[in-house]
Amino acid sequence: GAVVSQHPSWVICKSGTSVKIECRSLDFQATTMFWYRQFPKQSLMLMATSNEGSKATYEQGVEKDKFLINHASLTLSTLTVTSAHPEDSSFYICSARAVGDTIYFGEGSWLTVV
Amino acid sequence: GEDVEQSLFLSVREGDSSVINCTYTDSSSTYLYWYKQEPGAGLQLLTYIFSNMDMKQDQRLTVLLNKKDKHLSLRIADTQTGDSAIYFCAAMDTGRRALTFGSGTRLQVQP
Repeated sequence: GAVVSQHPSWVICKSGTSVKIECRSLDFQATTMFWYRQFPKQSLMLMATSNEGSKATYEQGVEKDKFLINHASLTLSTLTVTSAHPEDSSFYICSARAVGDTIYFGEGSWLTVV
Repeated sequence: GEDVEQSLFLSVREGDSSVINCTYTDSSSTYLYWYKQEPGAGLQLLTYIFSNMDMKQDQRLTVLLNKKDKHLSLRIADTQTGDSAIYFCAAMDTGRRALTFGSGTRLQVQP
């Protein structure tokens, strides 16, 4: 079946630095990708919807200057957490929409900011 | 790693009960979730169950967990047309600390 690859699975970075997470659709073209964040024992929170070739649509309360999303091609979206702080430590997961509205998820990325 | 499987499609009549099934492979999964996704929208957490529970009921929703068989089900009582959506089962693999989702079950409710 369709696969969405997310990389890295784990990342540790220092406060103040930026970190980039990639989301790739491996065998299909995804015009729309979603980025979620999940705090422990809580639901996934949709951060933004990313459409290829256009600016991402951010959910209310999500800082667009802090969480930069780029969807430059039909198979790749990136999330860059800029000037990371410990409170940004979380589980980030992307999903991609294929033809027919089927949604495929990446396995997620754990970010720890120290 | 964890593998979560769901049937792809379920059609019921309004007022009937819907049962969506899910199987997973990793017996160490601690949390199992059901999410709902309506067209064009993000995921909505419906309910979750901890692995030491057999059943959880929340209004019209009943989750049954058979840990021995690694089988999870979501029952929606008195299904309404507004329940038409895609339902995702997801399992938290504490070993890898990754959330694995099923492919989603599209529920169609016929009036």
